[in-house]
Amino acid sequence: ETGVTQSPTHLIKTRGQQVTLRCSSQSGHNTVSWYQQALGQGPQFIFQYYREEENGRGNFPPRFSGLQFPNYSSELNVNALELDDSALYLCASSLTGQSNEKLFFGSGTQLSVL
Amino acid sequence: SQQGEEDPQALSIQEGENATMNCSYKTSINNLQWYRQNSGRGLVHLILIRSNEREKHSGRLRVTLDTSKKSSSLLITASRAADTASYFCATDPWSGTASKLTFGTGTRLQVTL
Repeated sequence: ETGVTQSPTHLIKTRGQQVTLRCSSQSGHNTVSWYQQALGQGPQFIFQYYREEENGRGNFPPRFSGLQFPNYSSELNVNALELDDSALYLCASSLTGQSNEKLFFGSGTQLSVL
Repeated sequence: SQQGEEDPQALSIQEGENATMNCSYKTSINNLQWYRQNSGRGLVHLILIRSNEREKHSGRLRVTLDTSKKSSSLLITASRAADTASYFCATDPWSGTASKLTFGTGTRLQVTL
């Protein structure tokens, strides 16, 4: 157990809908990163939040957005869902987000877009 | 986009044998990490090697790093059925900023009794 919890574990949506995924960081960690993992692929970096501010973004469109709250929990929002958004979404926390830190991952949310 | 690739994509061995997985990457890095993933769920950190290190050990794990060839290897000795999982290398680009890992495509390891 890493102490990082994600909800829900599974979600089914239809194309065009909006979805919110949630993550609670490990205690003491102020940085959270979100990753998308398509079937059979490695995780792809979406964005990172440090102390409630976005601190870097991968190659994802603006319809992927996020928030980090004062307690360092986080949300990932995806608007106008597309079929290709079907994937496992992973949240990871780290102590300060600095290089040379390991990430602690949650178990993920499996999103299916029909 | 994926930073690099693991090789082989899949590996099947018997319990007690050693498993070696290789990772290649494209850009200069600050460090390289290996993670393990069971059944498409969360990833678990295994080991981190810095760009100025060439070899690192942790229990039954041995990691090497060759920055001139932009490659790394993970050796699991005396494998067990419980080692069955997917293994990913992840690089942290030399940017001086907060860590944003770039993962490879993974090696699926199957250890049979």
